[in-house]
Amino acid sequence: EIQLQESGPGLVKPSQSLSLTCSVTGYTITSGYDWSWIRKFPGNKMEWMGYISYSGSTNYNPSLKSRISITRDTSKNQFFLQLNSVTTEDTATYYCARKYYFDYWGQGVMVTVSS
Amino acid sequence: DVVLTQTPPTLSATIGQSVSISCRSSQSLLHSNGNTYLNWLLQRPGQPPQLLIYLVSRLESGVPNRFSGSGSGTDFTLKISGVEAEDLGVYYCVQSTHAPRTFGGGTKLELK
Repeated sequence: EIQLQESGPGLVKPSQSLSLTCSVTGYTITSGYDWSWIRKFPGNKMEWMGYISYSGSTNYNPSLKSRISITRDTSKNQFFLQLNSVTTEDTATYYCARKYYFDYWGQGVMVTVSS
Repeated sequence: DVVLTQTPPTLSATIGQSVSISCRSSQSLLHSNGNTYLNWLLQRPGQPPQLLIYLVSRLESGVPNRFSGSGSGTDFTLKISGVEAEDLGVYYCVQSTHAPRTFGGGTKLELK
């Protein structure tokens, strides 16, 4: 069974960097597909942030392009999100998901940006 | 960016009622390869989103067949034929034809 699990700090101070990990079991991230980070803001708004492909290429939402980096550790079958210079507007629940149509999701991690 | 407009924002239904949700796109979602990358998700309270339908009308494995998707170009519809209690939550359309991928604003399905 394919499972994704996000982990990382739940509280980040403004101007600092947010770093999250998505651990994948049941499928090797280098075998295929792209692997996305998505966030849901308080309320219903959802935003696709970017992905890293099975080959290691990345694609980011232009709205975040100057602040975001997605990398991976293939030995651990994990991929990572780094978002720099966060503000309170980055407070959201962050999810990782597989494929262009998001067939598998992690449970999500709530991140609050506050001093 | 492609804007997806979902209507209605809130939907009240009784168990067994059939309902539809509309998703309209600001641009055609027909890709040059002939596919239309429009998908539907359901987020139940306290749960991550779940894929229901991809490529407009293909039912994801394990999803009940009371869910169906239709549409083309810029107009798409999700239909639930006989709402059950487990269907309550927020429904999203999401497109992957154009970069960046974008989501609709969501439709909350409630019990009447």
